[in-house]
Amino acid sequence: EAGVTQSPTHLIKTRGQQATLRCSPISGHTSVYWYQQALGLGLQFLLWYDEGEERNRGNFPPRFSGRQFPNYSSELNVNALELEDSALYLCASSWGQGTYEQYFGPGTRLTVT
Amino acid sequence: SQKIEQNSEALNIQEGKTATLTCNYTNYSPAYLQWYRQDPGRGPVFLLLIRENEKEKRKERLKVTFDTTLKQSLFHITASQPADSATYLCALDIIRDTGRRALTFGSGTRLQVQP
Repeated sequence: EAGVTQSPTHLIKTRGQQATLRCSPISGHTSVYWYQQALGLGLQFLLWYDEGEERNRGNFPPRFSGRQFPNYSSELNVNALELEDSALYLCASSWGQGTYEQYFGPGTRLTVT
Repeated sequence: SQKIEQNSEALNIQEGKTATLTCNYTNYSPAYLQWYRQDPGRGPVFLLLIRENEKEKRKERLKVTFDTTLKQSLFHITASQPADSATYLCALDIIRDTGRRALTFGSGTRLQVQP
């Protein structure tokens, strides 16, 4: 069974640009979560989607947004990139809503210069 | 304020010994607590989930305890091996400002098992 996949592996952008990160959950999982992990720091919850709707959001500005498609894959968009957005962005999926165990992808390393 | 505290200092132990990692939390009443393993530059891997009405859970060489009175979970790895070296994260389901539950992670404890 394929795990959670994310693309691209690495992304380099300049300040002010927009970044789009993609995630495909494990087959059968309906919930997708996005986290930010800055270097040396813990995972910060960004967004949670389930059945195509945003279910919960972390303490991030509105320029962090996303969506979930009918096939449950998801996209994270970061507008007006700032240097401090440089981080590993992790996507996870789970079977149901909320707090079932989550299965993580390998992450997208975003570097903003 | 709400906090999840894990020892930020690395834990160094000898191969074969039992590693014990601690997760303390304040001002939460989680229904679940989870433990994950994370290797450098990679996504966390789920290890164990324990519910608030469970005192202890085991899986192979892993054991987790959950004391809702002390607001503490202990994570044990018995007969530790160098391959167990990684960062271990605890995660709690909490009710966020939105009124909805979400999994919130501690900052993790780095375990180094010396051969």
